[in-house]
This record gives sequence, C-alpha cells and structure tokens, in this order.
Amino acid sequence: DAMVIQNPRYQVTQFGKPVTLSCSQTLNHNVMYWYQQKSSQAPKLLFHYYDKDFNNEADTPDNFQSRRPNTSFCFLDIRSPGLGDAAMYLCATSRDAFNQETQYFGPGTRLLVL
Amino acid sequence: KQEVTQIPAALSVPEGENLVLNCSFTDSAIYNLQWFRQDPGKGLTSLLLIQSSQREQTSGRLNASLDKSSGRSTLYIAASQPGDSATYLCAVPNYGGSQGNLIFGKGTKLSVKP
Repeated sequence: DAMVIQNPRYQVTQFGKPVTLSCSQTLNHNVMYWYQQKSSQAPKLLFHYYDKDFNNEADTPDNFQSRRPNTSFCFLDIRSPGLGDAAMYLCATSRDAFNQETQYFGPGTRLLVL
Repeated sequence: KQEVTQIPAALSVPEGENLVLNCSFTDSAIYNLQWFRQDPGKGLTSLLLIQSSQREQTSGRLNASLDKSSGRSTLYIAASQPGDSATYLCAVPNYGGSQGNLIFGKGTKLSVKP
C-alpha cells in the first residue's frame, strides 16, 4: 500500500508557466519535506512543514512555494519555471522532526520544462 | 559544513558476488546515517538506518556498518542479484541545521550482471 503518493509522476510545463506538484500521505506524519534532485545529483532539501509551521531552506529560490492545507496533503508551487528547474521532485514524510526519525519518500515527480 | 561522499560513482559486478559500497562524511557529529535505494526515474526507498550509538544494522542480505570516529559507513550486499541493480545513496541529518534536513551523497550506481 502506497504511503507517500505523488501526482503527477511526470509533468511537462512551458517556460514561465506556473505548475503545482502534489504529495499526499497515509502515515499521519507531522512532517512533510520537498527535495529537488537534478540528474546525477544528490537530493537537496527545498523546505519542510512541521505540522503547519513552514521552514524554508536559506538557498531555496523565491520561485518555489509550498502549501499544506491539512496533515495529509502538501503542494509544491513553482511560480515561473525556468529550464534549470527541470528535475525530479521528491516528497518525504517523517513522524517527527527530530533528526533520529526515518524519512519515507514518495516515487517522485519528474518535471520537464520546455 | 557537512559533506557526504560516495565512491565509486558506479560499480558493475557479476551475479552472486558479495560487494561493499562506501560512504564517508566530514563531520562525525551525526545523529544517524541512512542508506537508500533509488531505481531509475523513481523515488527513494529506505534500506537501513543506523543510529549514532550503533555499529551496524542488518536486513536480509544487507548489512550496514557505521564508524563515526573515522566518518565512514559501508553497505555490504551479500550474494548480489540482478534485481539489486539501482543507485544506492547514503544520507546524514544536517547536525545544527534545519531539523530533518538530510545531506545526501551523490550515490553509487550498481549494476549486477546475470
């Protein structure tokens, strides 16, 4: 049974056209994360939510925003995608924000920007 | 600043061989270390998490070890199978940084030939 679900699995958008990626979880975890992974690179954290508390990484571009309307769902909004934003976007959850907690990842959404 | 390195970047072995993947980190003040598997175009699957107080963890044919003092971890795969072909990433929490921010290595791409 899928525990962290991401939709869509593949997304094609045009340069500058806003796009939203979706993540949902059935684990009832407090924390949800968004990572960006470019080709042959390590995943890089963009931001995370601890419950409703939003935590942005210092080097995350302003072009990236996130919403968490409830415990189960979290969205990644890219306001004006550039060619450099083409990547795999990974959603993850953890029960709590302590560093000892295991993170559970979804299958990812691969974004292509034309 | 914590840095995680995985060498080699790619590894090819014949089926049935035992193999070791390496992970090193620059700051030994870690809470834990986690090994993930990533299939092409897919998300991350957690394999093993070793707490800082532990020396090793085992799951089936996988055994992960941790030596904090030397900043090293190894993932041992016994009797490798073609189904083990994937990229293996290790990650540590960013001590002193954002809670839950995992610092990943770039991974080792494993190919097991039948």
